[in-house]
Amino acid sequence: GESVGLHLPTLSVQEGDNSIINCAYSNSASDYFIWYKQESGKGPQFIIDIRSNMDKRQGQRVTVLLNKTVKHLSLQIAATQPGDSAVYFCAENAKTSYDKVIFGPGTSLSVIP
Amino acid sequence: KAGVTQTPRYLIKTRGQQVTLSCSPISGHRSVSWYQQTPGQGLQFLFEYFSETQRNKGNFPGRFSGRQFSNSRSEMNVSTLELGDSALYLCASSFKLNGETQYFGPGTRLLVL
Repeated sequence: GESVGLHLPTLSVQEGDNSIINCAYSNSASDYFIWYKQESGKGPQFIIDIRSNMDKRQGQRVTVLLNKTVKHLSLQIAATQPGDSAVYFCAENAKTSYDKVIFGPGTSLSVIP
Repeated sequence: KAGVTQTPRYLIKTRGQQVTLSCSPISGHRSVSWYQQTPGQGLQFLFEYFSETQRNKGNFPGRFSGRQFSNSRSEMNVSTLELGDSALYLCASSFKLNGETQYFGPGTRLLVL
């Protein structure tokens, strides 16, 4: 079935380095993608989104890249900080018969001080 | 603006019982979606309500049901609880149906013994 998946379930980075979290999606009809951050004991928090008519979008310290050719999404975090430690989910607004948001399995990011 | 609130935050039930969880969306948001989050299955979509009507439904058995009130507050009910229903239940609100940016509450942690 249609799904959103992540290449790496865990990622450890040194404080100050850049982090890259990857995501593959399978529904070529999806036209909107979101990255969420979930800290322990909290609900997912919106980070950044991108529409399918774009290939790059930048926020504060974060950049999302979309490659529709290979159906790949990535989240780049610049100058990673300890507060960035969390689980990151990509999600797609899948154009299924009952349009809904499908979440990937998540990547756990650990920042080493 | 107050965020999405969920009550209760923690709940312990035994097999066979039923449970009702509550969600109050962000003021002005009319869509409420419910998700189940478990370590094994990740974030899975349960259903979405808009204007007091269920608009989208995920692949869960009929034991899982919900409703939405005229003030957009929503409840979900799980009947005949099973051990596998132990999970974090998340509610998310958005301004419109199939709203692309969803704002999540902190979740209700349900433990079924």
